[in-house]
Amino acid sequence: QVQLQESGPGLVKPSETLSLICTVSGASISSYYWTWIRQPAGTGLEWIGHIYNSGSTNYNPSLRSRVTMSLDTSKNHFSLKLTSVTAADTALYYCARYHLTSNVLHMDVWGKGSTVTVSS
Amino acid sequence: DIQMTQSPSSLSASVGDRVTITCRASQSIGNYLNWYQQKPGKAPKLLIYAASSLQSGVPSRFSGTGSGTDFTLTISSLQAEDFATYYCQQGYSTPLTFGGGTTVEIK
Repeated sequence: QVQLQESGPGLVKPSETLSLICTVSGASISSYYWTWIRQPAGTGLEWIGHIYNSGSTNYNPSLRSRVTMSLDTSKNHFSLKLTSVTAADTALYYCARYHLTSNVLHMDVWGKGSTVTVSS
Repeated sequence: DIQMTQSPSSLSASVGDRVTITCRASQSIGNYLNWYQQKPGKAPKLLIYAASSLQSGVPSRFSGTGSGTDFTLTISSLQAEDFATYYCQQGYSTPLTFGGGTTVEIK
């Protein structure tokens, strides 16, 4: 079955760049769309953006100036970079498959999440 | 941005109860509405997509209805494993947005 696994540093200093990778198994990243979601501790879910299998992207306007997503088809993984981080970026970061069924896109497979803390 | 408002924010219920959670969109979103379940320490899990379609493997006691601005998630007979937080999410336009969540607790 399809599985996703986030990886990356758990601690990032303020003003630096947060980098996460989502490794996909059981499916080719070239065949689907992919998304990143984050969840600050004890609160709700925030959509960061998604990347289509063509490589084109769609980002949350609240983060657009700081976010970059990319695909690496040779490694079957996709990545998230968030620049100039602050404590407000501290959260649990999830990657998910963004799948189209019945003409509606939905997040049907999720990684377990990667906790990122922004602190000096 | 489309705002998604869930009610109630929490509820207490007993095993066997019928539970209904409401989600309202700030503008019409057709049937572009998904429901997720999240248990503590776990990733969200897709329950319902396109407002009323049951995701494969999800028990039939879960159902979704609605279109336009008003949607409901119903659990017909609450089981012990259903105690969790439930989120709605609109997929009509970006930025994608989620409701604030409804926590279902044991009475």
